[in-house]
Amino acid sequence: GQNIDQPTEMTATEGAIVQINCTYQTSGFNGLFWYQQHAGEAPTFLSYNVLDGLEEKGRFSSFLSRSKGYSYLLLKELQMKDSASYLCAVMDSNYQLIWGAGTKLIIKP
Amino acid sequence: DGGITQSPKYLFRKEGQNVTLSCEQNLNHDAMYWYRQDPGQGLRLIYYSQIVNDFQKGDIAEGYSVSREKKESFPLTVTSAQKNPTAFYLCASSTPGLVSGELFFGEGSRLTVL
Repeated sequence: GQNIDQPTEMTATEGAIVQINCTYQTSGFNGLFWYQQHAGEAPTFLSYNVLDGLEEKGRFSSFLSRSKGYSYLLLKELQMKDSASYLCAVMDSNYQLIWGAGTKLIIKP
Repeated sequence: DGGITQSPKYLFRKEGQNVTLSCEQNLNHDAMYWYRQDPGQGLRLIYYSQIVNDFQKGDIAEGYSVSREKKESFPLTVTSAQKNPTAFYLCASSTPGLVSGELFFGEGSRLTVL
């Protein structure tokens, strides 16, 4: 079966750095996506990785290792508004998105 | 501003009733999707449509129906056959093939069955 694993919840301090991991086992691979979802709101797109390596976008970076079936989302200089759930999704060989359950990130002052 | 509009935001239904959730987009996207989100689970695909007058079942289509008569609109009907319909429903759209990987989501509709 296809599976995406992420930690359920993480806590970090304002101004610090946090890394959210995602491991996957899917039928084929056509890219990995990270979305941010604030409570009760719609998910919004953060990043897309299809080749190995690090993609940096401001305070957020996303890393992919296809051989290890592994990705992480790195958030720097954490702000209170970063408190949200972070969803990892993988596009399989049929171009369907397989979603992880999401990681709830709690930022403390 | 372009975007996706879902309505209603909150909906209460009695058991045995059908309800229809509206989804309208003005992004000129060909592809549209309906997802269901439950606590502790990933998004699950109910139905998707890549072109007008055509749609395909997703992973959990039983108890749901859709139509795609216009490019802008993709309504979802939750029928009485859906055994556990209480959930958060998300509509999304994209360019075909998700080449850029970006799905645009509506604000969601929260359905509660009383």
